[in-house]
Amino acid sequence: DGGITQSPKYLFRKEGQNVTLSCEQNLNHDAMYWYRQDPGQGLRLIYYSQIVNDFQKGDIAEGYSVSREKKESFPLTVTSAQKNPTAFYLCASSPGTSGRTDGQFFGPGTRLTVL
Amino acid sequence: DAKTTQPNSMESNEEEPVHLPCNHSTISGTDYIHWYRQLPSQGPEYVIHGLTSNVNNRMASLAIAEDRKSSTLILHRATLRDAAVYYCILRDTLRDFGNEKLTFGTGTRLTIIP
Repeated sequence: DGGITQSPKYLFRKEGQNVTLSCEQNLNHDAMYWYRQDPGQGLRLIYYSQIVNDFQKGDIAEGYSVSREKKESFPLTVTSAQKNPTAFYLCASSPGTSGRTDGQFFGPGTRLTVL
Repeated sequence: DAKTTQPNSMESNEEEPVHLPCNHSTISGTDYIHWYRQLPSQGPEYVIHGLTSNVNNRMASLAIAEDRKSSTLILHRATLRDAAVYYCILRDTLRDFGNEKLTFGTGTRLTIIP
C-alpha cells in the first residue's frame, strides 16, 4: 500500500538535545511538508520541499532544519534552539508538479515530548 | 493571505445530514477552497476541494456560493466516524503552483450524537 510513514509515534528527549523525526513516502510525490500542531490549535507549516535538494522555510522554521536528499525522504531535525519543541509533528506530501493533485496526504504524526 | 472563518464547534445527530459553513469574504479569483478533516490523534485527511462549481465525491459535497464568499461542506449522512475537526482552507494556485502549501486555522469541531 502507498502512503506516508512517520517514526516513531512517540518520542521523548531531554532538553538541549537535537532530535530527528523520520518521514518516508512511497507515493512518488515531488512535494513534502512538515507541520507542527499544538493542543487545540491548527497546523503550522515549518518547512516544505517541492523537489529533491531544494526546500523552503515555512511560517515557523526557527529552531528546525530539514534535508531532501531523496525524493521519498524528508527528515526534520528539532534543534536545541527550538524554545518550545513539545508538540505533535505531522509530515505530508503532494504530487506537486508531477501530476494532478487531489490534496495533501498526511502521515500519522510523531508526538514529541521534551523533558 | 485570504482568511476563512468557521464556527468553533457543531453538533449533529447520527444518520442526519451535516452542513459545515465557511466564510471567506476576501477570497481571490485564484483561490481554491479545500476541506480537510482531522480525527483525534491522527493526521489530517483530504476531503474535497473546488473553485467555483459545486463538487461531489464519495466522502462529501461542497457547495460554493455564487459570489464565492462562502462555502458549505455537506456530509449527507453523518456517522460516529465523522466526528473530527474540519478545516476550510484557501489555496492560492498562482502563488503556490507546484505545491500544496496550506494554512490551517482552528477549524470546526464536529460532534456526532448517537
